[in-house]
Amino acid sequence: KNQVEQSPQSLIILEGKNCTLQCNYTVSPFSNLRWYKQDTGRGPVSLTIMTFSENTKSNGRYTATLDADTKQSSLHITASQLSDSASYICVVSVNQAGTALIFGKGTTLSVSS
Amino acid sequence: EAQVTQNPRYLITVTGKKLTVTCSQNMNHEYMSWYRQDPGLGLRQIYYSMNVEVTDKGDVPEGYKVSRKEKRNFPLILESPSPNQTSLYFCASSLWGRDNSPLHFGNGTRLTVT
Repeated sequence: KNQVEQSPQSLIILEGKNCTLQCNYTVSPFSNLRWYKQDTGRGPVSLTIMTFSENTKSNGRYTATLDADTKQSSLHITASQLSDSASYICVVSVNQAGTALIFGKGTTLSVSS
Repeated sequence: EAQVTQNPRYLITVTGKKLTVTCSQNMNHEYMSWYRQDPGLGLRQIYYSMNVEVTDKGDVPEGYKVSRKEKRNFPLILESPSPNQTSLYFCASSLWGRDNSPLHFGNGTRLTVT
């Protein structure tokens, strides 16, 4: 069964600290892996998309890594800000068109001052 | 501004009263999709469309209908809403057939069925 598991379920960190969110998947076939940020009450916004040949991709203070062999991905947030408080969703695409997506349940990050 | 617009943002209705949630995108995207988001379950796909007049079921299509008469619009129809359809609904769009095209989501419609 295709699944995407995220950990931890929730996380609280102090402003300015770094953190890493994890995503493990059992999806086949695999086309690409996406990270989305969802602010409370808003729709998810794309952070990164990586194919199996990409190990790392950055978007500002967000850096995603992908190990296609172990089927693991991580999202690293550097120098966290209050605005980073959100839910982070890992999504694996079965096809290149992105029409068959397997969603993780998300990690809720709270950044406190 | 490139965006996906959903209306209404909030909707309270009663069991059995037909309703439509509208979705419109201004990015000329071929692909559009509806999702519902429930606590502890994440996002689940209801229906999707790969182009005008082409629609298909997602993971949880029961109780919903869609239509794609125009490229920009993809309304979600609940013919006879029930309380288990109380949820947060998102419409999304993307380019189809292009590698790594991200989904663009609307800001959601919170539906309560009493």
